[in-house]
Amino acid sequence: DAGITQSPRHKVTETGTPVTLRCHQTENHRYMYWYRQDPGHGLRLIHYSYGVKDTDKGEVSDGYSVSRSKTEDFLLTLESATSSQTSVYFCAIKPAGEFEQYFGPGTRLTVT
Amino acid sequence: AQSVAQPEDQVNVAEGNPLTVKCTYSVSGNPYLFWYVQYPNRGLQFLLKYITGDNLVKGSYGFEAEFNKSQTSFHLKKPSALVSDSALYFCAVLDGSSNTGKLIFGQGTTLQVKP
Repeated sequence: DAGITQSPRHKVTETGTPVTLRCHQTENHRYMYWYRQDPGHGLRLIHYSYGVKDTDKGEVSDGYSVSRSKTEDFLLTLESATSSQTSVYFCAIKPAGEFEQYFGPGTRLTVT
Repeated sequence: AQSVAQPEDQVNVAEGNPLTVKCTYSVSGNPYLFWYVQYPNRGLQFLLKYITGDNLVKGSYGFEAEFNKSQTSFHLKKPSALVSDSALYFCAVLDGSSNTGKLIFGQGTTLQVKP
């Protein structure tokens, strides 16, 4: 999985609680992305980062925030989880000079 | 707006037969196209890409894809399917409206290869 780890791999949480998902990469890639995967929707971009402290919104960013204080870590936070945020979350990186992205193993989040 | 469509939710093929998974795209400018595969409970794996050049692109695991500009298509193909090819396949296009490398994905096609 391209040297990308995600934690936790599985999480069950209750509606209204905050949740933080972590993406860690070991190869100093500048670009990192958070997607969610839902049946019938493919992957949809939540937020992305193009450097330390440089982040921007994707197409489904409502209810999510991100932070990147170090090159290797990209955090996704659900400030107050809702059942509609039950999904599988994938982190990805884009190597410099390439166009394709490489994905981590994913985090399965269930909000009850 | 850039978009990509995979018209089939599922494709069924017998082992040993050729397979095709369809993808069409809509972009302004030159298309940069990708195929990914996802096995159960795994992340997406990059298979191949079309950036420029030869319309037939070869990728991992014996897969290839044919870029057709006039039909705005980028179909994934393999001459002889294996049961182990059964997985979820995604087509994607680079969002050319920015320089941030964002990909836009299709909804996915499940490939079922039967023995």
